[in-house]
Formats: sequence, C-alpha cells, structure tokens
Amino acid sequence: GDSVTQMEGPVTLSEEAFLTINCTYTATGYPSLFWYVQYPGEGLQLLLKATKADDKGSNKGFEATYRKETTSFHLEKGSVQVSDSAVYFCALSDLGSGGSNYKLTFGKGTLLTVNP
Amino acid sequence: DAGVTQSPTHLIKTRGQQVTLRCSPKSGHDTVSWYQQALGQGPQFIFQYYEEEERQRGNFPDRFSGHQFPNYSSELNVNALLLGDSALYLCASSLAGINSPLHFGNGTRLTVT
Repeated sequence: GDSVTQMEGPVTLSEEAFLTINCTYTATGYPSLFWYVQYPGEGLQLLLKATKADDKGSNKGFEATYRKETTSFHLEKGSVQVSDSAVYFCALSDLGSGGSNYKLTFGKGTLLTVNP
Repeated sequence: DAGVTQSPTHLIKTRGQQVTLRCSPKSGHDTVSWYQQALGQGPQFIFQYYEEEERQRGNFPDRFSGHQFPNYSSELNVNALLLGDSALYLCASSLAGINSPLHFGNGTRLTVT
C-alpha cells in the first residue's frame, strides 16, 4: 500500500538557519504530494502541494519539488523564524471513488523548534 | 466564514463505553473525512462521507462508524472503547473533486481510561 517516510525529529534550529525535512514515498500510480503544518493546539493546515512530477509547491518561504525519479518531496526553507516552530507532515493522496476526492496518507511528522 | 468545527474539544470515556464526535464542515463543502491521530504519529484515515454515504474506509474495525446528515455535517461513533482508541480525532471537509484541498478542524481529544 501507499506509505510516506519522513525525517525523524525533533529538529532544533536557530533563527535564520536553513531548513530541510526529508520525505520519501511509496505509491502506486501518480499521487499528489503535500506538506501540512500543525501548530500547537490546532488542526492541520495545508502548507503546499504538488500534483505532478517536477512541480514545485511553495508558500510562506517554504518550497518542495516533486521528484518522481527519487520518489521524494523534501521540504526546504532558506531562513526559518521562531513562528515556524510546529510539526510538519508530509502526505500523499490516493484518488477517491465516485464523487468524492482523495484520502491522504501521512508520514509520522517532524517537530521543528526554532530558537531566537 | 467559519471553518471546520468539531465538538467536543476534549472527552474522557471509560473502556467499553461508546462515544459520538461531531463535525460541521466549512461552508460550501460537501465531503467529510475523519482521521485518527495517535500521540506522536501522523493522522490515519478512518473513512470519508459524501452524499450521506461512506465512500472510502481505512483499516479500522467496525466499531468505528459514521454518519453524514443532509446539511453535510457528520458524526463519528466508536463503540466498545479500548485504551488504544485514545487519540486526537480530526475531521476534514472538502468539496467533491480531485483538486479540492482538505480543510481540517482542530480535533477532538479522546482519552479512554
């Protein structure tokens, strides 16, 4: 079945450091790929997505490129801020049936802490 | 514009009891999905409802059941609770269609003692 493996955390960085969180996936077909972020006490928020090979998703300074040849979707940010502290989840989609849309398969999440 | 709302926010139940969690989707959305997030883990798909029918189901036992109402709101029911059912239960809504993103609620924290 589909699966997502992401970098074990926690990750602790100083403000303005470069961030990479690795994510690889296994899937049949051609899934869409996502990064979600979960701030303390909140639900998941979509950070960015890519729907086909070589697409780059980007948002709030974060970016990730869909690499079909390496089955990867690594998250990067050039300069992190304290407000980026959260849990980051990599996920892939599986097309739903009938009129419904996809269901998501998530990785285990990576806790990022950014210190001032 | 209200997003996805879930109730209650926290719940404590005893092993063997039954629980009902509720979800109101984001305005304009017609599809509701439920996920279970155990502590330190990623969310796991339970099932998805569209047009008041269960459309997809993950690897969860029949103790987990759901319902969608004509106004698109949804309930998740869990019978014969086990300690292992303790988790954050997330509801996500979307508009039917493969490019519609999921919007998540803040979840219901269920503790089974």
